[in-house]
Amino acid sequence: NAGVTQTPKFQVLKTGQSMTLQCAQDMNHEYMSWYRQDPGMGLRLIHYSVGAGITDQGEVPNGYNVSRSTTEDFPLRLLSAAPSQTSVYFCASHTIQGSYNEQFFGPGTRLTVL
Amino acid sequence: DAKTTQPPSMDCAEGRAANLPCNHSTISGNEYVYWYRQIHSQGPQYIIHGLKNNETNEMASLIITEDRKSSTLILPHATLRDTAVYYCIVKGYNQGGKLIFGQGTELSVKP
Repeated sequence: NAGVTQTPKFQVLKTGQSMTLQCAQDMNHEYMSWYRQDPGMGLRLIHYSVGAGITDQGEVPNGYNVSRSTTEDFPLRLLSAAPSQTSVYFCASHTIQGSYNEQFFGPGTRLTVL
Repeated sequence: DAKTTQPPSMDCAEGRAANLPCNHSTISGNEYVYWYRQIHSQGPQYIIHGLKNNETNEMASLIITEDRKSSTLILPHATLRDTAVYYCIVKGYNQGGKLIFGQGTELSVKP
């Protein structure tokens, strides 16, 4: 299994540009989520999904859209990039079966908005 | 979710046990204690979790006090590769995957 994969690894945008961060998992996990991590800080939840067709907001959803058309993929869209969105973005997934569900994180996408 | 308090940084000598404390005085009865770690700029990695009993796995041990208001993660024989930020997270079992990360403890293992 590849686990959780994210593309691209690095991205530089200009203010106002839009882009999509890709996340995919091959573990058939129902639950997927997006976090951002600013320098020296812990991760903060942006959006999450409990299954295909179902998404919800986390702590810091403004400026981001998500959709979940398949179990495997959970893309994160930046509608109009701002310098405040410069951060490292992590995607995570886990199954909701069983007593506890370890979250698996991707390697991250490092985004700089100029 | 209950709030957690961890020291911002700790040092440990290689080969010695690393004991990382966490206070969670407002934890409620159905909330678990989870530990994740993040090795330099990588995605966080699950370590261990527990409710009220002490737990041990191949990576670490988790000691939870009887009143559940604090816990300690123990890495029995720390190596240089254990240098990382360690996050203590309290979360209810039925609250999905919404992990609330604090600032964590930056553990430096020194030769």
